Amino acid sequence: SSELTQDPAVSVALGQTVRITCQGDSLRNYYPSWYQQKPGQAPVLVIYDKNYRPSGIPDRFSASRSGTTASLTITGAQAEDEADYYCSARDSATNHFVFGTGTRVTV
Amino acid sequence: QVQLQESGPGLVKPSQTLSVTCTVAGGSIRNGAYYWTWIRQHPGKGLEWIGHIHYSGRTYYNPSLKSRLTVSIDTSQNHFSLRLTSVTPADTAIYYCARGFWGSFYAAFDYWGQGTLVPVSS
Repeated sequence: SSELTQDPAVSVALGQTVRITCQGDSLRNYYPSWYQQKPGQAPVLVIYDKNYRPSGIPDRFSASRSGTTASLTITGAQAEDEADYYCSARDSATNHFVFGTGTRVTV
Repeated sequence: QVQLQESGPGLVKPSQTLSVTCTVAGGSIRNGAYYWTWIRQHPGKGLEWIGHIHYSGRTYYNPSLKSRLTVSIDTSQNHFSLRLTSVTPADTAIYYCARGFWGSFYAAFDYWGQGTLVPVSS
């Protein structure tokens, strides 16, 4: 299956650590990318490949993967991290993409 | 700095064709490292990959939209376009364009347009 499943919502206290998970068979051999979306704004890439952050993304964002589950971790969450987060992966056989169901993070 | 900007039709009536264009600034659409992508978001919902195109003209479409979808590219104008036929209110969404890149074990969309809301209503 090419579906990616995320928990609908998580909450974290200011300064604490939160982990957002993304589960799907396509993640067994593939690193997802992660996007942050704030209300009324376009998504922003925060992590891609094994654990690469684009320029300007704080190092409190990190990623990992084990089996068919990938995780985005925010270490020391800030108020500005409150947003929806989506994972995404490519099916290398078809070059099709899928997005996760999204997780709303409340700080 | 790469910038993408969607230009959309505003309101589209059911059964008509939805067309949106994405103009790329600050970089050439002919760069073979990238795939030019359409993504949409239904109001209050998650992201849905629509399709993408390489400057060579190679296209990849979401199977659920493939029968109604055409993505094209104009390298002389540095823009690419989405055309979705026979729309229904279920096609009401914010349509985003984005730049995609990938390697053997990863892929990502690093630049996005701000999105254009296209309501489908009579």
